[in-house]
Amino acid sequence: DGGITQSPKYLFRKEGQNVTLSCEQNLNHDAMYWYRQDPGQGLRLIYYSQIVNDFQKGDIAEGYSVSREKKESFPLTVTSAQKNPTAFYLCASSMSGGASYSTDTQYFGPGTRLTVL
Amino acid sequence: AQKVTQAQTEISVVEKEDVTLDCVYETRDTTYYLFWYKQPPSGELVFLIRRNSFDEQNEISGRYSWNFQKSTSSFNFTITASQVVDSAVYFCALSEVYSNYQLIWGAGTKLIIKP
Repeated sequence: DGGITQSPKYLFRKEGQNVTLSCEQNLNHDAMYWYRQDPGQGLRLIYYSQIVNDFQKGDIAEGYSVSREKKESFPLTVTSAQKNPTAFYLCASSMSGGASYSTDTQYFGPGTRLTVL
Repeated sequence: AQKVTQAQTEISVVEKEDVTLDCVYETRDTTYYLFWYKQPPSGELVFLIRRNSFDEQNEISGRYSWNFQKSTSSFNFTITASQVVDSAVYFCALSEVYSNYQLIWGAGTKLIIKP
């Protein structure tokens, strides 16, 4: 089945540690996104990537890093510089990576819940 | 600034009642897209509908219907004969052609359906 997978489902991090969240899609989508969701809040964009080997900062990129070496994979690293990383992280993808990408439907993975101990 | 407002933070109804979730948006563009997503307790966002600004026809899909009115900048979502499985947080979002990258999200409406 085509879809987006995220792992792990739950992740615990000690203060000062970097952790990496996995996001894989087999939808053959060009664009991929990372969002952060805090309790009772909407989604905020961390990073997005329109094509392989290219990515752009979103609204809240500080303390996060990404890579896009393969079309199907867009891992997110939460660094120790992120002061308040406890949140629910959602990965999404959409078909187009070109000019129309902002209007394409985004499809989401099941999310990773990160907790800092 | 572009904005999406979901004024209802939480709605609680008894099963089988009809319920409408409101979404009001602001945009300067004449071409834009509106979306609704459902987030059940599991957390995954489920895509429900995408509507472009040139299509003001109402949409019906089973018990779900959407009322798009450009005159009031609203894109409201109605669930008819609600069921417990409809309990979730529902998000409305806006995307504009030629905008940078963003889906602009509303804060969400938590819908509780009581048996």
